[in-house]
Amino acid sequence: AQSVTQLGSHVSVSEGALVLLRCNYSSSVPPYLFWYVQYPNQGLQLLLKYTSAATLVKGINGFEAEFKKSETSFHLTKPSAHMSDAAEYFCAVSTTSGTYKYIFGTGTRLKVLA
Amino acid sequence: GAGVSQSPSNKVTEKGKDVELRCDPISGHTALYWYRQSLGQGLEFLIYFQGNSAPDKSGLPSDRFSAERTGGSVSTLTIQRTQQEDSAVYLCASSLNLLGSGGYEQYFGPGTRLTVT
Repeated sequence: AQSVTQLGSHVSVSEGALVLLRCNYSSSVPPYLFWYVQYPNQGLQLLLKYTSAATLVKGINGFEAEFKKSETSFHLTKPSAHMSDAAEYFCAVSTTSGTYKYIFGTGTRLKVLA
Repeated sequence: GAGVSQSPSNKVTEKGKDVELRCDPISGHTALYWYRQSLGQGLEFLIYFQGNSAPDKSGLPSDRFSAERTGGSVSTLTIQRTQQEDSAVYLCASSLNLLGSGGYEQYFGPGTRLTVT
């Protein structure tokens, strides 16, 4: 069975500092991996996805993530945090056959300090 | 180019009443998913539709929950005899999943916040 672990339910960074949100997955086959962002009272918006092409994936709003098979990780980074990045971030793994439903991590709430 | 829409945005109901939640997916998206987001449980998969059929209902928490999809488009999630533990945000997503292939992202609606009093 596939699963996702997000370490740190809350992360605080200063404006302009590096953002690092951690995601580790468990999958017996190469997975599809996704990062979504959720702003208050809104749905989920896709930041980026990994589908077995390039291991370094660039997304919207300056975010990127690197797929590391040896570490079973897909951490999300951004070089310089903006106040507008404050939101909740979800990592998800999708099955690679059948329904392609998502298994979500528990989410990380990012706070950006002025 | 409209996105996924859901109605109502908020629903307050009394324990024991039935509720219907509606999802309008992106036109042309064959796959439709329902998820539930609640405190303490995170985001949970409920049910998956491919066209009008639901090959995966494994996430429905009880037989009080059911869903249908008509015309390969609109879907309705029905909760009968609501309980307080049903209070959550119900999210719908659609995707262009083509049979036999994957890696397509899911597009989420804004959700319906259900409160059972």
